[in-house]
Amino acid sequence: ETGVTQTPRHLVMGMTNKKSLKCEQHLGHNAMYWYKQSAKKPLELMFVYSLEERVENNSVPSRFSPECPNSSHLFLHLHTLQPEDSALYLCASSQDQRGYEQYFGPGTRLTVT
Amino acid sequence: AQTVTQSQPEMSVQEAETVTLSCTYDTSESDYYLFWYKQPPSRQMILVIRQEAYKQQNATENRFSVNFQKAAKSFSLKISDSQLGDAAMYFCALGERLNNDMRFGAGTRLTVKP
Repeated sequence: ETGVTQTPRHLVMGMTNKKSLKCEQHLGHNAMYWYKQSAKKPLELMFVYSLEERVENNSVPSRFSPECPNSSHLFLHLHTLQPEDSALYLCASSQDQRGYEQYFGPGTRLTVT
Repeated sequence: AQTVTQSQPEMSVQEAETVTLSCTYDTSESDYYLFWYKQPPSRQMILVIRQEAYKQQNATENRFSVNFQKAAKSFSLKISDSQLGDAAMYFCALGERLNNDMRFGAGTRLTVKP
């Protein structure tokens, strides 16, 4: 399998649930990213990992917890989310974190009820 | 701070015609890249074209070309011979070599009329 994959593609969860989003890249890249895409808003960068170390955290609420066990995998752990967290969550990877083009996964459509 | 502005929320073009999408940006860095991404209704974001700031020559990729005006901090995308498959959201993005960030514009929704 090539490119960037994300699972699940769709997720519905209650505010008290705990769930995780998974991202995997098959491109040999060293940097991975989580973005939030809401309707009529620009993409919001949430987290940046380079060589499995978090290098950026853009004031994201603690109910979102990232994990990068290796350079090919990235997780976003979710707990006690709010309805306003409903959005498309996109994962991306790039050669490294310094301005190179990013390759995106198909996203996970998250609905919080 | 880096910013990216796309002033056209929506654009439409007749099939086989040419359309230009606008983008302006602001950065204090000298080493950066600019990108146009396409996001079709299926939601997979795809890189359309990239431009290194140090290159004066405008990038081209088949029917897609850019007009990079560095002094004006303008980076427009021209789509020639528009096809129905070009219908999508188009995002302009700025990546600075010294920063761990890529800033995206709000996007332009392109409709292609048959």
